Amino acid sequence: NAGVTQTPKFQVLKTGQSMTLQCAQDMNHEYMSWYRQDPGMGLRLIHYSVGAGITDQGEVPNGYNVSRSTTEDFPLRLLSAAPSQTSVYFCASSRRQEGGGGNTEAFFGQGTRLTVV
Amino acid sequence: KNQVEQSPQSLIILEGKNCTLQCNYTVSPFSNLRWYKQDTGRGPVSLTIMTFSENTKSNGRYTATLDADTKQSSLHITASQLSDSASYICVVSAYSSASKIIFGSGTRLSIRP
Repeated sequence: NAGVTQTPKFQVLKTGQSMTLQCAQDMNHEYMSWYRQDPGMGLRLIHYSVGAGITDQGEVPNGYNVSRSTTEDFPLRLLSAAPSQTSVYFCASSRRQEGGGGNTEAFFGQGTRLTVV
Repeated sequence: KNQVEQSPQSLIILEGKNCTLQCNYTVSPFSNLRWYKQDTGRGPVSLTIMTFSENTKSNGRYTATLDADTKQSSLHITASQLSDSASYICVVSAYSSASKIIFGSGTRLSIRP
């Protein structure tokens, strides 16, 4: 039972390079999301998806793209890496909660530590 | 503005002692509040969830309380163990939108032998 799998675990990029952070879940969850975690700050939502083919922006979407072609996968693309994108990135998935209450238990991946130089 | 504030930012206690972590929120309309534990280098893991009608909920040595009137929650850890060393994150949800989930910045707890 893998849960949420993120790859890679570590990555160093040069300014201007592009890359894709992979995220896959095997729990058939509708919701998937990407967060970044910076020292002294709470996790901040980058993009999220409520189902295959549907994505939306979170709190800090600039410089990132996402797609959700399948229920299982939710890759995050950095278009042109900048030092300000140095952070730890977490992918999470959760099931849909009836009644719009939100905050069903989120299952997080192990994180990707990204450094942009 | 929807906000979640946690205190203290960091805490050091001796093994075997108890401690209480605080969470104040201004998220509206309130749906529920969840506490997560995040070990160093790992993703957060849910400890407990509190809905509007619940005042207290326990999960082993962890007990969460919620006062919806004052918009405060606490996480009490009893008889701390070295494995309790982690960051504890308070997460509050508002009704109607998957994006309205607000994370606190966490309390970093260190247990010393």
